Amino acid sequence: NAGVMQNPRHLVRRRGQEARLRCSPMKGHSHVYWYRQLPEEGLKFMVYLQKENIIDESGMPKERFSAEFPKEGPSILRIQQVVRGDSAAYFCASSPVGIRETGGGGYTFGSGTRLTVV
Amino acid sequence: QKEVEQDPGPLSVPEGAIVSLNCTYSNSAFQYFMWYRQYSRKGPELLMYTYSSGNKEDGRFTAQVDKSSKYISLFIRDSQPSDSATYLCAMSAGANSKLTFGKGITLSVRP
Repeated sequence: NAGVMQNPRHLVRRRGQEARLRCSPMKGHSHVYWYRQLPEEGLKFMVYLQKENIIDESGMPKERFSAEFPKEGPSILRIQQVVRGDSAAYFCASSPVGIRETGGGGYTFGSGTRLTVV
Repeated sequence: QKEVEQDPGPLSVPEGAIVSLNCTYSNSAFQYFMWYRQYSRKGPELLMYTYSSGNKEDGRFTAQVDKSSKYISLFIRDSQPSDSATYLCAMSAGANSKLTFGKGITLSVRP
């Protein structure tokens, strides 16, 4: 059981470039959640996805950020035209059922992608 | 007022000490309460998971939830250097997808 796999582990982008962060959920998990951890801040919810559906994107910034979880392949968090304020650790979590059933106890987190914008 | 407030720390204790970590919250809709441990450069790892009020014990760890006071605690008995990490409280209403986290407190257990 490989757990939740995130790649790359570290990503450096210049201001204005695009960043793509990938997350492969645990085997058998069909629900994916993205969180962002800014320096000295706690984890902040961004988006909750099921295969081919965005369930809750209330934590996503309105511009430049998008997420998808296609029928095949990993979930992708895309940040266009990155700015220095986007520098953070981005964590993905997965669960076998939706949060409505588990209340969060079923989450497994990946090790994160650390994005640095220079 | 933030939804979840956590003592800022950092916290340093000698090996064998009892550690008490606390969070308060303002959203009375929260029903599920969790404590996560996060080692440096790693993802959060679920330690304790409690539904509604009450106590839950797992080895050296005890989680307490007091919904009337909107207060949760994590106690670590016989603390070990390997317990040195950042501890995050988290909670959810159970009817939506969000976990709301505290900022985390960094614990250092001195040998």
